[in-house]
Amino acid sequence: DAGVIQSPRHEVTEMGQEVTLRCKPISGHNSLFWYRQTMMRGLELLIYFNNNVPIDDSGMPEDRFSAKMPNASFSTLKIQPSEPRDSAVYFCASSFLTSGEETQYFGPGTRLLVL
Amino acid sequence: QKEVEQNSGPLSVPEGAIASLNCTYSDRGSQSFFWYRQYSGKSPELIMFIYSNGDKEDGRFTAQLNKASQYVSLLIRDSQPSDSATYLCAVNPRNQFYFGTGTSLTVIP
Repeated sequence: DAGVIQSPRHEVTEMGQEVTLRCKPISGHNSLFWYRQTMMRGLELLIYFNNNVPIDDSGMPEDRFSAKMPNASFSTLKIQPSEPRDSAVYFCASSFLTSGEETQYFGPGTRLLVL
Repeated sequence: QKEVEQNSGPLSVPEGAIASLNCTYSDRGSQSFFWYRQYSGKSPELIMFIYSNGDKEDGRFTAQLNKASQYVSLLIRDSQPSDSATYLCAVNPRNQFYFGTGTSLTVIP
């Protein structure tokens, strides 16, 4: 399996622009997670989906952030408009949530810099 | 109060020594506990998970869980320079996932 795939790997944009991050989870996994990691705040869960349905989006910082999962093999995280404080590494992770297996597998991350 | 607390370190140990990493959590409903390793510039990767009180061993790694005291630890025996990384503790209460900020470990040759 190719693992979790994220694109782009690096993104540099200017304040006010729209940014779209993409994720393809591991085939067969039923849960997908979006995280943001910064030096100051560590790894923060933004939102997670189970069977393509958003379960908890309490970590989404504000209305500028939105996430979708139109099918089991694709998800997007959008920031509109972007701000310099959104600069971080954004990770997508997938898992097969059952009572016995909850391991998350992380993608390589998207390094976002908002100027 | 943070859901998961870790000492940020840095923790330095000589090669061949035992490295001990600790983590405390606040939600007594937590059932699953994970240790991830993250090399600089890379994504977190799972080292071990533990569900039951006591010790769980996997090669040079041992995870220890004490639910009464709400702490989980990771011991790395015979530490190697390649173990130098940040170690993240994660807990899973009620299908939420919370990560600690990580402990930076340096193994000195």
